[in-house]
Amino acid sequence: GDSVTQMEGPVTLSEEAFLTINCTYTATGYPSLFWYVQYPGEGLQLLLKATKADDKGSNKGFEATYRKETTSFHLEKGSVQVSDSAVYFCALCHNQGGKLIFGQGTELSVKP
Amino acid sequence: GAGVSQSPSNKVTEKGKDVELRCDPISGHTALYWYRQSLGQGLEFLIYFQGNSAPDKSGLPSDRFSAERTGGSVSTLTIQRTQQEDSAVYLCASSPPGQGASGYTFGSGTRLTVV
Repeated sequence: GDSVTQMEGPVTLSEEAFLTINCTYTATGYPSLFWYVQYPGEGLQLLLKATKADDKGSNKGFEATYRKETTSFHLEKGSVQVSDSAVYFCALCHNQGGKLIFGQGTELSVKP
Repeated sequence: GAGVSQSPSNKVTEKGKDVELRCDPISGHTALYWYRQSLGQGLEFLIYFQGNSAPDKSGLPSDRFSAERTGGSVSTLTIQRTQQEDSAVYLCASSPPGQGASGYTFGSGTRLTVV
């Protein structure tokens, strides 16, 4: 069945460091891919998405590119801030009406 | 309301008791989803309602779990004879017509603790 694998956390970075959180997936066909973020004490929020191969999703300085050849959707940010500290979830959806399959989540802690 | 509302926010129950968790979706959202977030299991899909269609129950972990959605709006997730492994945060999300996973709004969840 479909699955999503994320790099394990926690990831600890200094402010202004470069961030990469790896995400790979297993799925038939062409799923849509998502990154969700859960800030401390808050609910899950959609961060960015990509619906087809080679699409790049971006938001709040974060980017991820849908790579069909490597079945990956790695999250990147050039310069992280303390306020980016959160848990990040990679997810896929096999059709627009259906359920999300989530990765395990990666906790990011950014130190000043 | 402005967002997806879940109640209660916290629930502590004794093993073997039944619990009901409530989700009020955003008005006009036709799709409603339940997920479970637990340590070691991440976020797991439980059940999905879309309009008047039969729900997708493929994620319910056992027959102790059931859910209904009345009048296409409020949903209740019921867990019978709770077990300690049911302890988790139960999340509800709703989505507008035609947006599916691209339009999710999640609630803040119900933290269930079975003692």
